[in-house]
Amino acid sequence: GDSVTQMEGPVTLSEEAFLTINCTYTATGYPSLFWYVQYPGEGLQLLLKATKADDKGSNKGFEATYRKETTSFHLEKGSVQVSDSAVYFCALTSVTSGGSYIPTFGRGTSLIVHP
Amino acid sequence: DAGVTQSPTHLIKTRGQQVTLRCSPKSGHDTVSWYQQALGQGPQFIFQYYEEEERQRGNFPDRFSGHQFPNYSSELNVNALLLGDSALYLCASSPTGFDGYTFGSGTRLTVV
Repeated sequence: GDSVTQMEGPVTLSEEAFLTINCTYTATGYPSLFWYVQYPGEGLQLLLKATKADDKGSNKGFEATYRKETTSFHLEKGSVQVSDSAVYFCALTSVTSGGSYIPTFGRGTSLIVHP
Repeated sequence: DAGVTQSPTHLIKTRGQQVTLRCSPKSGHDTVSWYQQALGQGPQFIFQYYEEEERQRGNFPDRFSGHQFPNYSSELNVNALLLGDSALYLCASSPTGFDGYTFGSGTRLTVV
């Protein structure tokens, strides 16, 4: 079945450092790929998405490129802020036999940014 | 726009009891999915409702059941609670699912 593998955390960075969180996937067909962010005590928020190979999703300075050849969707940000501290989830969505789109999530990667 | 609203925010139940969690989807969204998120883990898919029918189900026992109402709101019911059911339960809604889901803040269930 479909699966998502993320790098283990926590990732600890100083403010203004460069961020990379690795994500690879296994899926049949052609999934859409997503990054969600979860701040403490809250639900998940959609951060960015890409629906086909070579698409780049971007939002709030974060970006990720859908790489079909390496089955990857790594999240990057050029300069992190303390407010970026959260848990980041990589997810894929494939259409099921019933015609619905159900996301499969990775385990999440905790990011801690120090001033 | 209120987004996805879940109630209650926290709940403590005793092993063997039954619980009902509630969800109001974002305005304009007719598809509702429920997820269980254990501490330090990613969300695990329980089931999805569309047009008041369970359209897809994850790998969860029959103790987990749900319902969707004509106004698209939804309930998650869990019978015969086990200690292992302690988790954050998330509701997510979408108009199609293809473009991603909007999540609520969840219900924290503790079974003692």
